[in-house]
Amino acid sequence: DQQVKQNSPSLSVQEGRISILNCDYTNSMFDYFLWYKKYPAEGPTFLISISSIKDKNEDGRFTVFLNKSAKHLSLHIVPSQPGDSAVYFCAASASTGANNLFFGTGTRLTVIP
Amino acid sequence: DSGVTQTPKHLITATGQRVTLRCSPRSGDLSVYWYQQSLDQGLQFLIHYYNGEERAKGNILERFSAQQFPDLHSELNLSSLELGDSALYFCASSVIAGSGEQYFGPGTRLTVT
Repeated sequence: DQQVKQNSPSLSVQEGRISILNCDYTNSMFDYFLWYKKYPAEGPTFLISISSIKDKNEDGRFTVFLNKSAKHLSLHIVPSQPGDSAVYFCAASASTGANNLFFGTGTRLTVIP
Repeated sequence: DSGVTQTPKHLITATGQRVTLRCSPRSGDLSVYWYQQSLDQGLQFLIHYYNGEERAKGNILERFSAQQFPDLHSELNLSSLELGDSALYFCASSVIAGSGEQYFGPGTRLTVT
């Protein structure tokens, strides 16, 4: 049972435009959400996170939005740069549980110069 | 560089064999997590150790086992290997066992022939 879903396997955007990556979750116990970026032949790299007590967290060009009622979060990258081309994984954890991360299947972002 | 190291980087072995994957966490991190990523799949949580003790198990087969040693490095043992065990195996570490960022190693690519 996939508790974290990324329904778009790929996304292409022009350099300088906004990239929006989406993620849905089903487990209402999740209270911490993270985005990871992964380049080929490397491990996932932590990008940004958000606690369920917030609905937005911003770090430079990256902003994560959380809509708890819809069990939906999104990652906005603006402006998008060619170096942002990678696979982005959404992950979630529950502080009342074992704290392991539940990952989505990833979205491959391609930023076109 | 996340500070998490994994060896070996690549491993090719035959069905029925046994292999050991090794992970050294970031300096100061007490928690070690193991994840499996099969082709086109998200990362699946296998097992979590905190300061030498098993804290949580995920979708880990009985043929797989792990341990964390006093120096905090961890080993994942995979036995009676099957073709379906071919995957990327990632180790991650974090300071504590609570919700928070996990830092991933570069992974070990296991190919079972």
